[in-house]
This record gives sequence, C-alpha cells and structure tokens, in this order.
Amino acid sequence: KQEVTQIPAALSVPEGENLVLNCSFTDSAIYNLQWFRQDPGKGLTSLLLIQSSQREQTSGRLNASLDKSSGRSTLYIAASQPGDSATYLCAVDNYGQNFVFGPGTRLSVLP
Amino acid sequence: DAGVTQSPTHLIKTRGQHVTLRCSPISGHKSVSWYQQVLGQGPQFIFQYYEKEERGRGNFPDRFSARQFPNYSSELNVNALLLGDSALYLCASSPGGRGYTFGSGTRLTVV
Repeated sequence: KQEVTQIPAALSVPEGENLVLNCSFTDSAIYNLQWFRQDPGKGLTSLLLIQSSQREQTSGRLNASLDKSSGRSTLYIAASQPGDSATYLCAVDNYGQNFVFGPGTRLSVLP
Repeated sequence: DAGVTQSPTHLIKTRGQHVTLRCSPISGHKSVSWYQQVLGQGPQFIFQYYEKEERGRGNFPDRFSARQFPNYSSELNVNALLLGDSALYLCASSPGGRGYTFGSGTRLTVV
C-alpha cells in the first residue's frame, strides 16, 4: 500500500528565502508525481507534474525533482514571497488509477 | 476553456439525509475522480471513472456511490449522512495518465 509523507508539516520563513519542501513515498512503482498548491478552503492548483521517466520539472521560481529509487521528491521555491503562503501537497499517481496524497506542508512567508 | 466545475459550492445537510454532488470535467477529458478532504488532511481517493466505467474505488463505505454520464460528467452520491462526512469533496479530471486538474470543490457540512 502506497504511503506518502511530507516534511516539514509547517514552515514559516521571511520573505526572500529559498526553501525546500520534501515528499517521500513507499512504493517506487509510480506513474507520475504531481505537486499541488491549496489555499485555505479552496481546491487544488497544479504546480508541477513529473513523469516517472523524468528527473525534474521547472516552472518560474519552482523546481521539483524526483528520485524514484529512493522514493523522494523535493519542491524548491526560490525567492519566496508572501503570496506563496499556502499548503503544498505532494501526490503520487499509482498508474492512472488514483492519487495518494501526502498530508501537506503549510507554508507561511512573512513580509 | 472552462476548468473542472463542481456544484454546489457549499451545502449543509442533516444527519441521515442524502446528498448528490456534481462535476463537469474539462472538455475532452474522459476520466473523472472523486476525493474527500477532511480539514487538516490530504485528500483521500473515493472513486475513479473512465469512459463511464468504474476503474477504482477507495476505502469508503457502500453509502458512497458514483456514476459517470455519456457526456463524461459525474455525480457522487452519499446516503445516510454522518457527521464525519463533513468535508471538502474534490473532483478531478484527466485526459488519461497525463496529470489531473482539480475543481474548486464542494464544501459539505453535516449537522
């Protein structure tokens, strides 16, 4: 059974810092991995999708890496801004059948 | 293009009642999945439908059911509501194996 964990559970940083969010999964036989952002009470916004054959994806200030063999993914946020404050969720796609989500990292960027 | 649309956005029901939640996928997406997100946790998989057939079911009681229509829209039905069914219900659509797009969700409160 796939299990996904995220560290840290919560993070508070001053504006401008670079930061790393971590995601670990127990079964390396995944189809892809997706990072989402969720604002309070809202739905999920897709940030980055990494196919199982890829090592990383970049979008603007965001970079996500994937190491299937070790069951890890990291989301790197450069030059953080107060608007980045949200919960970040990592989700593993078990061959198109369903996502298994981590519990999320709650990020607060202070001005 | 319209994204994934869900209705209603908010709903209050009494214990024991029945509820129907609706989802319209992105045009061209044939796969629809449903997730339940309890406050403070990551979303949990409920159902996946592809081409009107159930392709996956999470660990939820038989009070939960769903279906997909010929136009690929979907309904999630929950019978005999319990207080613990209070959650954000998320619908996601996919063209098939290339990442998911989530709707804004339906906030269900059971009193």
